[in-house]
Amino acid sequence: GEDVEQSLFLSVREGDSSVINCTYTDSSSTYLYWYKQEPGAGLQLLTYIFSNMDMKQDQRLTVLLNKKDKHLSLRIADTQTGDSAIYFCAESGDDTGTASKLTFGTGTRLQVTL
Amino acid sequence: KAGVTQTPRYLIKTRGQQVTLSCSPISGHRSVSWYQQTPGQGLQFLFEYFSETQRNKGNFPGRFSGRQFSNSRSEMNVSTLELGDSALYLCASSLTGNNQPQHFGDGTRLSIL
Repeated sequence: GEDVEQSLFLSVREGDSSVINCTYTDSSSTYLYWYKQEPGAGLQLLTYIFSNMDMKQDQRLTVLLNKKDKHLSLRIADTQTGDSAIYFCAESGDDTGTASKLTFGTGTRLQVTL
Repeated sequence: KAGVTQTPRYLIKTRGQQVTLSCSPISGHRSVSWYQQTPGQGLQFLFEYFSETQRNKGNFPGRFSGRQFSNSRSEMNVSTLELGDSALYLCASSLTGNNQPQHFGDGTRLSIL
């Protein structure tokens, strides 16, 4: 079955870049996603990448995909205190072929210090 | 454009009771998925509805059920509540569900006493 792994915690200084890593097992994943969750809130879709792409940039966010190693990363440039949250990596894919089921990683808690 | 709306935000129930949670998707979205989030198990997929039909299902017991109405709004029902059902229940909507980004609501936090 699908499995997604992330490191649990990352601490960075304000202004530095943050890199959050994720590995997944399902080679048939079509899309890979990054979500952000702040305390008491739901999941906010940050960005996503199609499996035939290597990189996607969206303002301060850069997603890198190494399909051979099944490795996904999210880089946040100029990290701010408002970026403190839990970040989830997710892959889409299921037996029905609709890819409507997301499998999430455990989440990485990003702490931004002054 | 309004986001995904879930009601209620908080619920307290006792063991053995049943509960119904509601989700209104983003206007125009026809696929609605439900997820359970707990500290121990993380985020787990419950089921997905499209055009009033359950199209995909996770590994949860039959006590967990759902339905979707013709306006794409969805409800999720849990019967015979157990302490382990305490969780944040998240609803997500997408245009068609087929490799479409899913947008989440703020969830319903269910506490079982």
